[in-house]
Amino acid sequence: QKEVEQDPGPLSVPEGAIVSLNCTYSNSAFQYFMWYRQYSRKGPELLMYTYSSGNKEDGRFTAQVDKSSKYISLFIRDSQPSDSATYLCAMRSNFGNEKLTFGTGTRLTIIP
Amino acid sequence: DAGITQSPRHKVTETGTPVTLRCHQTENHRYMYWYRQDPGHGLRLIHYSYGVKDTDKGEVSDGYSVSRSKTEDFLLTLESATSSQTSVYFCAIRGQGNTDTQYFGPGTRLTVL
Repeated sequence: QKEVEQDPGPLSVPEGAIVSLNCTYSNSAFQYFMWYRQYSRKGPELLMYTYSSGNKEDGRFTAQVDKSSKYISLFIRDSQPSDSATYLCAMRSNFGNEKLTFGTGTRLTIIP
Repeated sequence: DAGITQSPRHKVTETGTPVTLRCHQTENHRYMYWYRQDPGHGLRLIHYSYGVKDTDKGEVSDGYSVSRSKTEDFLLTLESATSSQTSVYFCAIRGQGNTDTQYFGPGTRLTVL
């Protein structure tokens, strides 16, 4: 079993919809959680960075972490065609630990 | 791409040949990383560096070596390429400040025939 599970999709939604992307994990030591966006044939781009449980909002994006359930989410409001990409979750344990564990990514398409 | 360039961007080579990929950064970051990305596996850490001449292994280091003789350059070498090393390779740097997360370069697409 992988430490981080992420539904690969593909996920297609109409423009303007709210998108929910999720990851589950098994390692209770994970404390730092990230979401990356990756356009086709490009490098991953950091979207959100959160520590421990709770919510964090940045524009149309909201990241949620529920450590009790070992579950993290990324919500995209008012989705745009430019949001079409693969979204990767990543996480690690203590500060300074160099090992990021990634999900396999969810491919998202926003239909105009 | 966080001031990171990778070269070459694409390479096709044959089994058994040596290959070196270069990562170059312009912002004096101390930590640099090499990852590979494969379908069904996500991104996996190969090696990382925490300073000039200071490197350590990641989770998939077999068959790879690295060198860092200057702060700005981190080289990844496949001593004798195999078909299983066909992948997309990403270099990353650790951001500065309170958030120590990682920022990625544009990637190198390597095909080993």
